Amino acid sequence: GEDVEQSLFLSVREGDSSVINCTYTDSSSTYLYWYKQEPGAGLQLLTYIFSNMDMKQDQRLTVLLNKKDKHLSLRIADTQTGDSAIYFCAEIPDTGRRALTFGSGTRLQVQP
Amino acid sequence: GAVVSQHPSWVICKSGTSVKIECRSLDFQATTMFWYRQFPKQSLMLMATSNEGSKATYEQGVEKDKFLINHASLTLSTLTVTSAHPEDSSFYICSAGQGAIGYTFGSGTRLTVV
Repeated sequence: GEDVEQSLFLSVREGDSSVINCTYTDSSSTYLYWYKQEPGAGLQLLTYIFSNMDMKQDQRLTVLLNKKDKHLSLRIADTQTGDSAIYFCAEIPDTGRRALTFGSGTRLQVQP
Repeated sequence: GAVVSQHPSWVICKSGTSVKIECRSLDFQATTMFWYRQFPKQSLMLMATSNEGSKATYEQGVEKDKFLINHASLTLSTLTVTSAHPEDSSFYICSAGQGAIGYTFGSGTRLTVV
């Protein structure tokens, strides 16, 4: 199947690090993505990682990929209140269909 | 960067009427666009793949006669919700991409049918 799973909720204090986890199913996915959605808005691409990489860092964001376990994580350093949003991991499964398959989304709440 | 404009941002309509939502790629050409539906506190579910110059490909369970998709140019796809009913109330989002490096999403349309 094409299930992408995430934990539903994460609460952290401002200044702490946040780690959002994702488990995907299609090991043939070439790219894996992290998107951010603020209330009532569309999705913003935060970062992506190529499947032959283990890690990618982009300013406060660090993506870790464990292909053996099909596990993807997003670490946000020095989390700010403006980071409060829903975070979706996504893949493009090798089904011939080019659309993204999204995880259930993790709601990140940052407390001052 | 790639920009996708979606209009309107929100619409309220009466049961039985039809509503058209537009999705435009502003600075690139998109032979393929995607339409998603999102229920409150849920993930995005793909409804259909819009193909320029040909018929859309609908996902299983999505009524093609109810959700009409037209992709008449390389920069515009429209989704028309025909004979809308309250259960069609939802957040609809389109996306388009220039390759494997992610897709750009519109800002979404919140449809409320009363």
